[in-house]
Amino acid sequence: SQQGEEDPQALSIQEGENATMNCSYKTSINNLQWYRQNSGRGLVHLILIRSNEREKHSGRLRVTLDTSKKSSSLLITASRAADTASYFCATGTTSETGFQKLVFGTGTRLLVSP
Amino acid sequence: GAVVSQHPSRVICKSGTSVKIECRSLDFQATTMFWYRQFPKQSLMLMATSNEGSKATYEQGVEKDKFLINHASLTLSTLTVTSAHPEDSSFYICSARSLGLDQPQHFGDGTRLSIL
Repeated sequence: SQQGEEDPQALSIQEGENATMNCSYKTSINNLQWYRQNSGRGLVHLILIRSNEREKHSGRLRVTLDTSKKSSSLLITASRAADTASYFCATGTTSETGFQKLVFGTGTRLLVSP
Repeated sequence: GAVVSQHPSRVICKSGTSVKIECRSLDFQATTMFWYRQFPKQSLMLMATSNEGSKATYEQGVEKDKFLINHASLTLSTLTVTSAHPEDSSFYICSARSLGLDQPQHFGDGTRLSIL
């Protein structure tokens, strides 16, 4: 399976703490993206990092990418109860037929308690 | 931001019924649309990729005669689950992206399909 793995599977923290999620993948990539999913809803795009980039910031989000280790991390600083959701990494690759597609990781369920 | 609308949000129907799910990009041209299936507490599994005006490309193990995909315009793709059975019950999510290597995918809110 090409599916990436995320670590930890579940994370429970207090408001104000930082949350770090890690993602490992297996194939070469064009980019790596992080998405958030609230229960029973679709996914919301958070941030995209290109394969030639090493770090990217967006608000309280910080993403790193290490292509030599085929891994990425998502850091959410000063977490809030509203950050409670599942977070997925997804690797952007080119299929054998030339299409751009995403392969999703297994996800991390984040619970932020007030 | 880019908006993708997916309808219906929930379907409950009898075994043997065919169900059509619509996915629309509301404020951008979606050159490519994707259909995913998600089981409870699991990740998304890509079912098929469709480019406007051409046949969908199905992932290995996905029956194209079972899951009919039509992407007739730059703003609309449909997934029809033909002769649905209880094992087809799942959460189906569409996404859309515009042309370009590093364009993100924008997701609909999903359709919860329950076959009795």
